[in-house]
Amino acid sequence: DAGVIQSPRHEVTEMGQEVTLRCKPISGHNSLFWYRQTMMRGLELLIYFNNNVPIDDSGMPEDRFSAKMPNASFSTLKIQPSEPRDSAVYFCASSLLLAGGTDTQYFGPGTRLTVL
Amino acid sequence: QQQVKQSPQSLIVQKGGIPIINCAYENTAFDYFPWYQQFPGKGPALLIAIRPDVSEKKEGRFTISFNKSAKQFSLHIMDSQPGDSATYFCAASKGYSTLTFGKGTMLLVSP
Repeated sequence: DAGVIQSPRHEVTEMGQEVTLRCKPISGHNSLFWYRQTMMRGLELLIYFNNNVPIDDSGMPEDRFSAKMPNASFSTLKIQPSEPRDSAVYFCASSLLLAGGTDTQYFGPGTRLTVL
Repeated sequence: QQQVKQSPQSLIVQKGGIPIINCAYENTAFDYFPWYQQFPGKGPALLIAIRPDVSEKKEGRFTISFNKSAKQFSLHIMDSQPGDSATYFCAASKGYSTLTFGKGTMLLVSP
């Protein structure tokens, strides 16, 4: 299994530009998570999907952030317009979350975003 | 908001030492407590996990100690090695729910 795949691995953009991060979860997993990691705030959950449906987006910082999961094998996180304070490492994770089970999340390698 | 409080923020030990990382939680409904390990440039990965029906779990050099009455759990790394240098996250969840992560502990094991 290839694991969770994220692209791009690094992104440098200028303030005001649109940024799109991509994620391919592990095949067969039914839940997908987007996290943001910074030194100051640690690992923050932005949004999570279950069976392609957004369940909890309370962590999305503001309207500039949006996420979609059009099918079970693909998700995007978009920032428009981007700001320097959005600079962080963004992780996608997936899991097979079942009733009575546990949430073992498998993380991708992350996308390091720098907004100048 | 459900919280998991982790300490210390950073930790330096010598090779062979036993670093201990502590976590405390508030929600007594939590029933699954994993630890994740993250190396620089990588995503976090599951290291070891425990359920509250046991007080201790060992996997190799890694041990979780769990104190249900105090609502605390900790990670011990026996005979620590420089290769254990990483960031460690505790987490918790209840039933069919997602994980709540601690803020992380940066561990450095000096040669």
